[in-house]
Amino acid sequence: EPEVTQTPSHQVTQMGQEVILRCVPISNHLYFYWYRQILGQKVEFLVSFYNNEISEKSEIFDDQFSVERPDGSNFTLKIRSTKLEDSAMYFCASSADNLNGYTFGSGTRLTVV
Amino acid sequence: AQSVTQPDIHITVSEGASLELRCNYSYGATPYLFWYVQSPGQGLQLLLKYFSGDTLVQGIKGFEAEFKRSQSSFNLRKPSVHWSDAAEYFCAVGLMEYGNKLVFGAGTILRVKS
Repeated sequence: EPEVTQTPSHQVTQMGQEVILRCVPISNHLYFYWYRQILGQKVEFLVSFYNNEISEKSEIFDDQFSVERPDGSNFTLKIRSTKLEDSAMYFCASSADNLNGYTFGSGTRLTVV
Repeated sequence: AQSVTQPDIHITVSEGASLELRCNYSYGATPYLFWYVQSPGQGLQLLLKYFSGDTLVQGIKGFEAEFKRSQSSFNLRKPSVHWSDAAEYFCAVGLMEYGNKLVFGAGTILRVKS
């Protein structure tokens, strides 16, 4: 079964530092997403990406966040200057067309200290 | 605004008993509905989804869900719960017109007692 792969599984960073979370979506998928889940809370949408541009973003996804698909396989989320409240599990997802085949990765747990 | 409500934060059932987890959504158009399961510290596994057609959908691990448009509900059921079903369950609505984002409910934590 095809998988969405996220690295690293855990990341600890100092407040104010930049962090890049990496994802390898399923190879024939066209739509890519980032979500986050603060400990004990619901899963929240951050951003969706299609055809090399952002198609939708939430209020959470401010100027500190950016996404990129630097090559044909990776999809990254960058947080420029991390804050304590950015500590969360970050999930990458991809889908084939629209909502078909929507698959989540196993997540990166980000801890900002 | 689109929203998903899971009214039960925690549910405890005995092993072998039946289970129903409730989900209500608020959305003006035809909904695309999902149920995901998450074990502690793990990712989100898709149990089942409803896009159209038969309103009773079958999923993995013996789960099923019924879409009821008149009640704006998509409740998850299992006839006989196993201890390994203990996890957190999330209902979500998919919004194609908003970049295919999923809006999740707050989740229901299922505890199974032996």
